Amino acid sequence: NAGVTQTPKFRILKIGQSMTLQCAQDMNHNYMYWYRQDPGMGLKLIYYSVGAGITDKGEVPNGYNVSRSTTEDFPLRLELAAPSQTSVYFCASSYSGQGDNSPLHFGNGTRLTVT
Amino acid sequence: AQSVTQLGSHVSVSEGALVLLRCNYSSSVPPYLFWYVQYPNQGLQLLLKYTTGATLVKGINGFEAEFKKSETSFHLTKPSAHMSDAAEYFCAVRSRNSGGSNYKLTFGKGTLLTVNP
Repeated sequence: NAGVTQTPKFRILKIGQSMTLQCAQDMNHNYMYWYRQDPGMGLKLIYYSVGAGITDKGEVPNGYNVSRSTTEDFPLRLELAAPSQTSVYFCASSYSGQGDNSPLHFGNGTRLTVT
Repeated sequence: AQSVTQLGSHVSVSEGALVLLRCNYSSSVPPYLFWYVQYPNQGLQLLLKYTTGATLVKGINGFEAEFKKSETSFHLTKPSAHMSDAAEYFCAVRSRNSGGSNYKLTFGKGTLLTVNP
């Protein structure tokens, strides 16, 4: 059971380039999330999805886009990379969410540097 | 809106000493409470959670946490630190209210635990 798989593990981008961070889960979870982690700042929610075809903004969505065409996959797109997007990105999933206490399952992260 | 405060961004203890990591929350209704641990270059793993019932919750690796409603706290403890406990620890909350976006987790800023030999 792979859990949550993120690719790539590391990436260096030049300012203005675009890329897609991939996330896949094999636990049949409905809920998926993208967080970014910056030193001393904890985790900030970028986007989340409650099921295929449904996405919504989190706390820090600017500069990012997502899609959820299948239950398994939740890619995060950076269109015009900026140095402020240098961070570690984590994808997570959970079985459910509303009124429930399902814990999140995290991937191992993608470390992105924009120069 | 709910928030989480972790007191101390860095805690250093000696091997065998008590570990105490502090977490306070702000919410109109006591939320679901979680502690996650992050080892270097890895994602977060669930350590323990409080949902309902007994206020003292036991987790993996000998950690436990106690929910104190009167103090709005959920501090994490371990009687005797081990070198392998060195990691970053995050407290998180989720609203008990169903509907809308209330299932989102709100994380504290994290506490880095160092264990000295």
